[in-house]
Amino acid sequence: DTEVTQTPKHLVMGMTNKKSLKCEQHMGHRAMYWYKQKAKKPPELMFVYSYEKLSINESVPSRFSPECPNSSLLNLHLHALQPEDSALYLCASSPETGLIWYEQYFGPGTRLTVT
Amino acid sequence: DAKTTQPTSMDCAEGRAANLPCNHSTISGNEYVYWYRQIHSQGPQYIIHGLKNNETNEMASLIITEDRKSSTLILPHATLRDTAVYYCIVRAENTGTASKLTFGTGTRLQVTL
Repeated sequence: DTEVTQTPKHLVMGMTNKKSLKCEQHMGHRAMYWYKQKAKKPPELMFVYSYEKLSINESVPSRFSPECPNSSLLNLHLHALQPEDSALYLCASSPETGLIWYEQYFGPGTRLTVT
Repeated sequence: DAKTTQPTSMDCAEGRAANLPCNHSTISGNEYVYWYRQIHSQGPQYIIHGLKNNETNEMASLIITEDRKSSTLILPHATLRDTAVYYCIVRAENTGTASKLTFGTGTRLQVTL
């Protein structure tokens, strides 16, 4: 199974809502990532988890809160978002240990619209 | 990580070879060249990577110049399903930190009948 799954596929939320994005992989990968992609732009890294610990936060606003409950699961909790946060949110995983870089496997993304 | 420069867009006829160039003139000795592509409404997909030797897999070939300042991704027989944005990324393999992919603007390849 070389698949990264993301739910939901689409999400519409108001600025006062609280919602969560979910990402799952069963490849035994120990690194997981969140990326944000605006329309017609390349993906931008948000967070990296390595062995369930947050290792990189690319100065993301606190209204985005990542969580890695176990090695297969990655969540992104959303609260008080702004319309400019509307984007495609991509999850990825890789087997890397932090010393050697491996390819990253991406999920299909969650398309988020903030109204 | 070194910066990359790619053409904004390219066209290719179906069945012909698609040659996608990438300039990485500031590449360091320990930096690899990686290629990913992103088909519309999907997540990026790894294609191939290399250090200095040419590489080939079932998807594509990667040709790196001897001075390593540029490379070309070759899709030998492009099909309509190869229409995508292709990203060239340069990154050191052993950095001691969790891996960090920095995507450039990429090349939008349009394969036509």
